[in-house]
Amino acid sequence: NAGVTQTPKFRVLKTGQSMTLLCAQDMNHEYMYWYRQDPGMGLRLIHYSVGEGTTAKGEVPDGYNVSRLKKQNFLLGLESAAPSQTSVYFCASKEYSEQYFGPGTRLTVT
Amino acid sequence: QQQVKQSPQSLIVQKGGISIINCAYENTAFDYFPWYQQFPGKGPALLIAIRPDVSEKKEGRFTISFNKSAKQFSLHIMDSQPGDSATYFCAASGTNDYKLSFGAGTTVTVRA
Repeated sequence: NAGVTQTPKFRVLKTGQSMTLLCAQDMNHEYMYWYRQDPGMGLRLIHYSVGEGTTAKGEVPDGYNVSRLKKQNFLLGLESAAPSQTSVYFCASKEYSEQYFGPGTRLTVT
Repeated sequence: QQQVKQSPQSLIVQKGGISIINCAYENTAFDYFPWYQQFPGKGPALLIAIRPDVSEKKEGRFTISFNKSAKQFSLHIMDSQPGDSATYFCAASGTNDYKLSFGAGTTVTVRA
């Protein structure tokens, strides 16, 4: 039981490049989330999903897209990376109250 | 606009001391108040949580105090240990919320 896993762990992008972050969970949870963590800003919700095939915007959705084609996977895409998207990205999933977080992806955009 | 305000941003405590972190909220529909602990390079993990039907919840050295009328809750870490050095986030959500509103985080450093 791996819980929530994220790939890749680290990535460096140049401005304008695109990439996809993958989140996978093996707990059969309905709800999944993508957050970004920046110093002094806490965890800010980018997008979330309440079930397979659904997605919704969070607090800071601009510049990101998501897809949840399979219940266990939640993908976060950056179509044209900007330096402001340099951050640590966390995926989480939940069934009832507790959210389970992945180990994070550190993304640097130069 | 952050729905949960957390303070202080950081604190340093001596081993054996008490760490206190405070959070305040405005949304009276919130009825679930968890605290998450995050070690460097790791994702946050649930530490302890409380619902408004009780004013205090204790798990080992960690205690949540909840003041419904003041719309405030706090985390107390008793007998702080170097292994408690981490960032702590408070959060809140309502019954029909799918998502949590997080505070900005407090970095706790426990000096040996």
